[in-house]
Amino acid sequence: EDQVTQSPEALRLQEGESSSLNCSYTVSGLRGLFWYRQDPGKGPEFLFTLYSAGEEKEKERLKATLTKKESFLHITAPKPEDSATYLCAVQAGDYKLSFGAGTTVTVRA
Amino acid sequence: ETGVTQSPTHLIKTRGQQVTLRCSSQSGHNTVSWYQQALGQGPQFIFQYYREEENGRGNFPPRFSGLQFPNYSSELNVNALELDDSALYLCASSRDRAYEQYFGPGTRLTVT
Repeated sequence: EDQVTQSPEALRLQEGESSSLNCSYTVSGLRGLFWYRQDPGKGPEFLFTLYSAGEEKEKERLKATLTKKESFLHITAPKPEDSATYLCAVQAGDYKLSFGAGTTVTVRA
Repeated sequence: ETGVTQSPTHLIKTRGQQVTLRCSSQSGHNTVSWYQQALGQGPQFIFQYYREEENGRGNFPPRFSGLQFPNYSSELNVNALELDDSALYLCASSRDRAYEQYFGPGTRLTVT
């Protein structure tokens, strides 16, 4: 069974204090690894797809990287509007997404 | 381009009742997936519909069922509601099975 573990569970940052979120996974036949952002009471918002080890994607202050066993989401110089829960998910041969429990990021001004 | 929409936004039901949730997929998307998200947890896969056929199912009992229509919109039906069914139900569409999924705002179901 596919397993996704995210750490830490919660992260409190000062504005401008860069940090990284970890997503470790066990999956048979990875099709893709996805990062989403979710605000309270709303649906997840798509951020990135990574397909193979060594791949990197960037969007504004976010950068996602992928190895054979884990992915990192780096937040550079975060702002309060980056406060959200960040979800990692893997897709295997059956096309379903298996999600981790998420990392809740709070950025203080 | 209209995104994924879901209705209703909120719903309160009594244990034992039945409920139908609706989802309109994004234009050009032929795949719809449904997820259940409990508070503080990641979304859990219920099932996926691809070109009107069920294309995979998670660990949910048969009282969770669904449909996909020719316009690729979808319904999730839950019979014999239990208290543990209280959750945020999310619908996601994608332009094919292997592509990124775009989520709707969700339906908050409360079972009392």
